[in-house]
Amino acid sequence: KQEVTQIPAALSVPEGENLVLNCSFTDSAIYNLQWFRQDPGKGLTSLLLIQSSQREQTSGRLNASLDKSSGRSTLYIAASQPGDSATYLCAVHTNAGKSTFGDGTTLTVKP
Amino acid sequence: DAGVIQSPRHEVTEMGQEVTLRCKPISGHNSLFWYRQTMMRGLELLIYFNNNVPIDDSGMPEDRFSAKMPNASFSTLKIQPSEPRDSAVYFCASRKEMGLTRDYGYTFGSGTRLTVV
Repeated sequence: KQEVTQIPAALSVPEGENLVLNCSFTDSAIYNLQWFRQDPGKGLTSLLLIQSSQREQTSGRLNASLDKSSGRSTLYIAASQPGDSATYLCAVHTNAGKSTFGDGTTLTVKP
Repeated sequence: DAGVIQSPRHEVTEMGQEVTLRCKPISGHNSLFWYRQTMMRGLELLIYFNNNVPIDDSGMPEDRFSAKMPNASFSTLKIQPSEPRDSAVYFCASRKEMGLTRDYGYTFGSGTRLTVV
């Protein structure tokens, strides 16, 4: 059974810092991994999707990497801003319809 | 595209009443998912449809929950009778799946916040 772990559960940084969020998974037989952002009381917004054949994806200040062999993905946020404060979740898709979500990392960026 | 559309946004109902949640997936997406999110259990998959057919409903808590997808553009999740422990945020998500080699990931709706008193 796939297990997805996100550490730390919460992170607080000053504005302007670069930071890394971690996502680890136990079954490397995945076919893609997706990072989401969730603001309080809101839905999940997709940030980046990495196919199993890819090593990384970039969108603006965000960069996500994938290392299937070690069962890890990281989300790098450059030059963090208070508006980046949210909960970040990763979801691992192992086969059609089977996805496992992590519990998320709650990020607070202080002005 | 307007994205995945869910209604209502909020629902407050009394225990024992029937609740119906609605979802319109993104046009062209062939898979639809109902998730439930609570602080205690995080995101839980309730049911998954592919091409309007229920594929996996193992996450449906009990017989009080039922879901339908009569066509590619509409799905409902019904709870009858509702109980206070059903209080949660219910999300609908859709995906365009193209076999095991590639898919385009989830698009989530804004959710329905259900409170059963």
